[in-house]
Amino acid sequence: QVPLAQSGAEVRKPGASVTVSCKGSGYMFTGFYIHWIRLAPGRGLEWMGRINPSNGVTNYAQNFQGRVTMTRDTSISTAYMELNRLTSDDTAIYYCATSSTVMITRTWGQGTLVTVSS
Amino acid sequence: DIQMTQSPSSLSASVGDRVTITCRASHDINRDLNWYQQKPGKAPKLLIYDASNLEGGVPSRFSGSASGTVFTFTIRSVQPEDIATYYCQQYDHLPQTFGQGTKLEIK
Repeated sequence: QVPLAQSGAEVRKPGASVTVSCKGSGYMFTGFYIHWIRLAPGRGLEWMGRINPSNGVTNYAQNFQGRVTMTRDTSISTAYMELNRLTSDDTAIYYCATSSTVMITRTWGQGTLVTVSS
Repeated sequence: DIQMTQSPSSLSASVGDRVTITCRASHDINRDLNWYQQKPGKAPKLLIYDASNLEGGVPSRFSGSASGTVFTFTIRSVQPEDIATYYCQQYDHLPQTFGQGTKLEIK
């Protein structure tokens, strides 16, 4: 049983949107923050934001404000990350990861490759 | 945002060598710093948290230390399976920020 299971690879055209899901299992979903972090070619790891699944409160990195929306569905222990107005610079592997209130991200999903290409 | 300046960007070592990676924070982050190992096609793996605490199950050849805003990660005796990219990450301030990464190769 994989603690965090992400949705599969996606291909989008520039200007489109993409939603990546992250399903938690084997732990209390509402007890841990979900963070979204991406790895873009040649650009290293980049923290995008986090959601508190217990109340839905989000914090987004300034770089993604207005373009990203993080939500969750506690009934199915799943978090979602929607990114809009995609450009080629958004081609990356997107990871979800959990942390307690101490914000140390110990458990990571397997990653979802999002490719933006015309 | 807190800037994390990580160096070197790459290094080549022989099996058994001692290697050191440094991260410098642009502001005080207390000791709220993690070190991750990322292998190709895999998610990052937490090795060190709170600057110097070894995550459970991680070999003791990995260690971390801190002096003010300068953080050091050391592999005491590099093994072939240590080929990876290593990142520091601060979580003291939002947004969390990462160093640029250090790619370790074996000679």
